[in-house]
Amino acid sequence: LAKTTQPISMDSYEGQEVNITCSHNNIATNDYITWYQQFPSQGPRFIIQGYKTKVTNEVASLFIPADRKSSTLSLPRVSLSDTAVYYCLVGEPTGGFKTIFGAGTRLFVKA
Amino acid sequence: DTGVSQDPRHKITKRGQNVTFRCDPISEHNRLYWYRQTLGQGPEFLTYFQNEAQLEKSRLLSDRFSAERPKGSFSTLEIQRTEQGDSAMYLCASSPTSRSPDREQFFGPGTRLTVL
Repeated sequence: LAKTTQPISMDSYEGQEVNITCSHNNIATNDYITWYQQFPSQGPRFIIQGYKTKVTNEVASLFIPADRKSSTLSLPRVSLSDTAVYYCLVGEPTGGFKTIFGAGTRLFVKA
Repeated sequence: DTGVSQDPRHKITKRGQNVTFRCDPISEHNRLYWYRQTLGQGPEFLTYFQNEAQLEKSRLLSDRFSAERPKGSFSTLEIQRTEQGDSAMYLCASSPTSRSPDREQFFGPGTRLTVL
């Protein structure tokens, strides 16, 4: 299973774009990259998933370079409510997906 | 509310006691996962069910831990002879069976266990 490395914490201000990069040098051919968000005392919530290039949904964008050894979660115009922990996961999401969360990145959005 | 539910939300027990947690996944979700999360850490995978079959177990799941999903719907996680190190948030998640990939897992609110 590919190990991921993320910054421990990040600070931002309301209205700014936030980019969180995750390194996964040992990503395997069949691995997908998935990001989750977690607020205190709640379970994680799926944000976005991708395999290569760029994926965008109503919440975020995910940029994956050609070598797939890293990925960047982009949150446009963050608000105070985006203060949370963000987890990058890499794995083969078929039956038996051993989800490894790591410690995540604590994003703190200031007014 | 059609999300994943867990019961109880909080449990305080004395060391050596047995505890059981319940998870009700989203209806018709075939896959069910249990995780454990300690303060400041990400969730750690414990075990995974496809319908009623327990397909994977982490080595974190010692002999004192057992999980069941008897009818492929709700699941229970039992911890026997609890230890203080078992204090954590226990999270349940479910996902539908899809062609590929297994996209998002839907998490419940968790059960916070405190072992005194």
